[in-house]
Amino acid sequence: DGGITQSPKYLFRKEGQNVTLSCEQNLNHDAMYWYRQDPGQGLRLIYYSQIVNDFQKGDIAEGYSVSREKKESFPLTVTSAQKNPTAFYLCASHKQGADEQFFGPGTRLTVL
Amino acid sequence: QKEVEQNSGPLSVPEGAIASLNCTYSDRGSQSFFWYRQYSGKSPELIMFIYSNGDKEDGRFTAQLNKASQYVSLLIRDSQPSDSATYLCAVNADSGTALIFGKGTTLSVSS
Repeated sequence: DGGITQSPKYLFRKEGQNVTLSCEQNLNHDAMYWYRQDPGQGLRLIYYSQIVNDFQKGDIAEGYSVSREKKESFPLTVTSAQKNPTAFYLCASHKQGADEQFFGPGTRLTVL
Repeated sequence: QKEVEQNSGPLSVPEGAIASLNCTYSDRGSQSFFWYRQYSGKSPELIMFIYSNGDKEDGRFTAQLNKASQYVSLLIRDSQPSDSATYLCAVNADSGTALIFGKGTTLSVSS
């Protein structure tokens, strides 16, 4: 049963805490992406990775960090430096040579 | 700044009608164009993609691309209440790069 999984589905964070959002895919996709979506807004790119051990900043990378140690995994850490982290976080992936991206179910992060 | 523009709506159509969703993009070098459907509280789901000028049909959905006008549209024939969702237009300039998304158009189909 191939797909993209994200965990947790809901996450609550206190101010000043770092939290890590998980994204795993078993589709053998090469590239992985993290987007953020705010209410009534489109998706904004945080980070992306086209190969293992390499990643690039997107449009809104400040306050976030990522790693890509395995092809299947692309975790996102939301640090205390991110001033407005409450949002819906979406992970996506696509296969080399194809353009269409497929999304995981998302993680909804709320800062208390 | 590469941009993708969509009318936020809501676009309201009666059941059985044709819904027409529109999108314009700023980067003339864009090569691939995508339509995603997003139900409230859920992640986006790919409906269609198109690369070449003209129409591409898949069931009740037709994507239309006009690169000269930098315009892409999605037609939904025989609209159903289950089509009520936000539709996101996305483009990318080069293969393998991240997509640029519009803010989405909310469609409401009334029975």
